[in-house]
Amino acid sequence: AQSVTQLGSHVSVSEGALVLLRCNYSSSVPPYLFWYVQYPNQGLQLLLKYTSAATLVKGINGFEAEFKKSETSFHLTKPSAHMSDAAEYFCAVSDGRYGQNFVFGPGTRLSVLP
Amino acid sequence: ETGVTQSPTHLIKTRGQQVTLRCSSQSGHNTVSWYQQALGQGPQFIFQYYREEENGRGNFPPRFSGLQFPNYSSELNVNALELDDSALYLCASSSGQGVNGYTFGSGTRLTVV
Repeated sequence: AQSVTQLGSHVSVSEGALVLLRCNYSSSVPPYLFWYVQYPNQGLQLLLKYTSAATLVKGINGFEAEFKKSETSFHLTKPSAHMSDAAEYFCAVSDGRYGQNFVFGPGTRLSVLP
Repeated sequence: ETGVTQSPTHLIKTRGQQVTLRCSSQSGHNTVSWYQQALGQGPQFIFQYYREEENGRGNFPPRFSGLQFPNYSSELNVNALELDDSALYLCASSSGQGVNGYTFGSGTRLTVV
């Protein structure tokens, strides 16, 4: 069974500072990993995904994430935060199948301070 | 291509009532999943349909049921509503196995009073 932990339910950064959102996963098989963003009162939008190709994955809006098997991590980063990045971010893991095997973490709320 | 659309966007129901939520999948997607997202939490998997058959279910009671239609649109039905059913209900569609991830709709905010 898969599981995801996200360290820090709330992260605050200043505009222009580095964004680092942490995700650690547990999976009995090689995982597929995803980051989603959710703006207030909206659904989830896919930021990026790791599907066993390059370990450094680039996504939309300048975000990227690196898959580190030895650390079972898939942390999300952005070099310079923008006010529009303020949102809830969810890490998810899949074993390549559907449904209950696609599991979300509890989320990290990112605040960007002027 | 159109995305995933859900209706209604908001609704309020009374405890004990029944509710039906609707979802139109993204064009070309034949798999639809429903998630419940309580306030301040990550989405929790309810169930999934593939080609009109339920092929996966999370830890939700039988009063949560669904349908998928030949055009791949879907419904989520909840009977005997409870206060704890108040949440954002998200529909998501996919064209392949979990490798592709899901495309999500904007959700239906259900409030049970």
